[in-house]
Amino acid sequence: GEDVEQSLFLSVREGDSSVINCTYTDSSSTYLYWYKQEPGAGLQLLTYIFSNMDMKQDQRLTVLLNKKDKHLSLRIADTQTGDSAIYFCAETNQGGKLIFGQGTELSVKP
Amino acid sequence: ETGVTQTPRHLVMGMTNKKSLKCEQHLGHNAMYWYKQSAKKPLELMFVYSLEERVENNSVPSRFSPECPNSSHLFLHLHTLQPEDSALYLCASSQSTGGNEQYFGPGTRLTVT
Repeated sequence: GEDVEQSLFLSVREGDSSVINCTYTDSSSTYLYWYKQEPGAGLQLLTYIFSNMDMKQDQRLTVLLNKKDKHLSLRIADTQTGDSAIYFCAETNQGGKLIFGQGTELSVKP
Repeated sequence: ETGVTQTPRHLVMGMTNKKSLKCEQHLGHNAMYWYKQSAKKPLELMFVYSLEERVENNSVPSRFSPECPNSSHLFLHLHTLQPEDSALYLCASSQSTGGNEQYFGPGTRLTVT
C-alpha cells in the first residue's frame, strides 16, 4: 500500500544543520514534496524534487533523493529558531494524489 | 500568503448545529481539496474537486457535505457533528489533479462540543 514514514521529532541547536528523513513506498512517484507547517497555520510548500533528480538545492535547503532506497531527505543549513515547525514529506501516487507522512516536529534551541 | 484563504479561522459548534466552512483560491487553479488534520495523525484527504466536479470522496461520513459552486470557491457544510470531528480542516488547490503541488489555506480550527 501507499505509505510515507517520517520520524516524529528532531531537536537541533541554532546554527547547526538539520536533516529530516522520509521513506516512501510508491516507486512510480513523479514528484516528492516538502511542506512546512508553523503553529496555527496551514501547510506551506517549501520545495519539491522531480523523481529523475538526485539532488536539488535552494538557498539553505538541500533535498536528496535516493530512488533505489525510496528515501528522501531535507537538509536545512544554519538552522534558525524561525525554522521551528512541523515538516511534512509527501509523494504523489499513480492517481496523482498526494500522500503525506505524519510530519517531523523540528525544535531549534538557541 | 499562499493565495488560498479560509473562513472562519476558528469555529466552536454544538453537535446539533449546522455551519459551513469556506475556502477561496485566487490562483486560477482547477482543482480544490478538503483535508482533515487531527493531532498525531497524517493528513486525511476528504474530498477532491476538479473543475467543480467531485472526483474523490474518501469514505467521509455524510454529516460532511462539500459544495463547489465554481473553480475558485469550495465549501464544507457541517451538521450533527461528533466531538471526534474536532480538528484542523485544511483547504488546498492545485493547477490540476495530476500530482501538481498543492497550495494550502491556513485552515479552520473546529471544536465540536
